[in-house]
Amino acid sequence: GEDVEQSLFLSVREGDSSVINCTYTDSSSTYLYWYKQEPGAGLQLLTYIFSNMDMKQDQRLTVLLNKKDKHLSLRIADTQTGDSAIYFCAVDPGYSSASKIIFGSGTRLSIRP
Amino acid sequence: DTAVSQTPKYLVTQMGNDKSIKCEQNLGHDTMYWYKQDSKKFLKIMFSYNNKELIINETVPNRFSPKSPDKAHLNLHINSLELGDSAVYFCASSQGAAGSYEQYFGPGTRLTVT
Repeated sequence: GEDVEQSLFLSVREGDSSVINCTYTDSSSTYLYWYKQEPGAGLQLLTYIFSNMDMKQDQRLTVLLNKKDKHLSLRIADTQTGDSAIYFCAVDPGYSSASKIIFGSGTRLSIRP
Repeated sequence: DTAVSQTPKYLVTQMGNDKSIKCEQNLGHDTMYWYKQDSKKFLKIMFSYNNKELIINETVPNRFSPKSPDKAHLNLHINSLELGDSAVYFCASSQGAAGSYEQYFGPGTRLTVT
């Protein structure tokens, strides 16, 4: 089955860029997502990318997709303290009516002053 | 107005007890889910219902029984609770069952079994 992997922790200085990486195994994955989980809360969709795209930019967020290497990354520009959270990569084949999203383990982003 | 709500937010109970967690969504979505998040934050899907019908049933002990009385509700009943059931349980909903739809998550129910 699909396996989605992320590093568990990332620490960056406030104002720097954060890059969170994710690798997946199913080359047929069609929809790839980044979800954000703030402390004590549920997950919220941050952004997503279709497999026919290489890059998607949305304000401070840039998603890069390398299909050949099955690598997805999320770049947060000008990281702020409010960006402290756990970021989950999630992938889905998108072709079945009963698709399930497979989540990575989450990367805990902490911000240093 | 809360989109996906869960009750209770916290649940502390003893081993062997039976408990239920309720979930309601007011988004008019067709599909609802239950996820379990363990202490290491790993998130795993347990069940998914589409229009009140079970469509995903992961390898979950049969002590866990979901019930969907209508499209807006998906409850989770757990029998004979065990220590390993301690986790945060998230309900979610989406417009449709395909993975192309964004999932909206509830705030979670933290279950502690002592």
